[in-house]
Amino acid sequence: QSVLTQPPSASATPGQKVTISCSGSGSNIGSNPVYWYKQLPGTAPQLLIHNSSQRPSGVPDRFSASKSGTSASLAISGLQSEDEADYYCAVWDDSLNGHWVFGGGTKLTVL
Amino acid sequence: QLQLQESGPGPVKSSETLSLTCTVSGYSIRSGNYYWAWIRQAPGKGLEWIGSIYYSGTTFYNPSLKSRVTVSVDTSKNQFSLNLRSVTAADTAVYFCARSHAYYGLDVWGQGTAVTVSS
Repeated sequence: QSVLTQPPSASATPGQKVTISCSGSGSNIGSNPVYWYKQLPGTAPQLLIHNSSQRPSGVPDRFSASKSGTSASLAISGLQSEDEADYYCAVWDDSLNGHWVFGGGTKLTVL
Repeated sequence: QLQLQESGPGPVKSSETLSLTCTVSGYSIRSGNYYWAWIRQAPGKGLEWIGSIYYSGTTFYNPSLKSRVTVSVDTSKNQFSLNLRSVTAADTAVYFCARSHAYYGLDVWGQGTAVTVSS
């Protein structure tokens, strides 16, 4: 049972927009920046979003994210086949002396 | 260019200690500004943070693993290490090391190393 709640799966057709949610609590999303990662099979996670809504250089502007209260979301517009991957949200949790927590991951299928 | 590379002795037997090292190249751990982290992923499962360390030795641990985990740093070798004691099959996973920043998060990851715990 992950501290952050994500839908286990999402799907959309090429060109469409998909949104992935991440729900937490006051000690994590409610207090700290949210990070989003993309993971292809057999590879390490790749940072997509930092500081809740900022894209690192090299990440296409099709990827956007926001945070409100104790929830966050990642949106992918103009969906492409290479976007098919697992997506994880992560945040620092201030409870219990502080620790990183991850969502359970959302498997995105491009139909 | 910053690179992180995990290394370890291979399969581990149940009840023994899992030991891994992450070698950092392209950045001096002693420079500060970043924590250095261990994360794992069991087969078919999600990501689980294990612990993080600063060059000074300050550590943070996953509360659920804290009693079995030690993360240490060797600035002279530009490495940091993970020791996980009393392992069981549930500790079988791919173990990643990563750089951690307050603003950028876990921004650079190693490729990961698979560890199997056998009985």
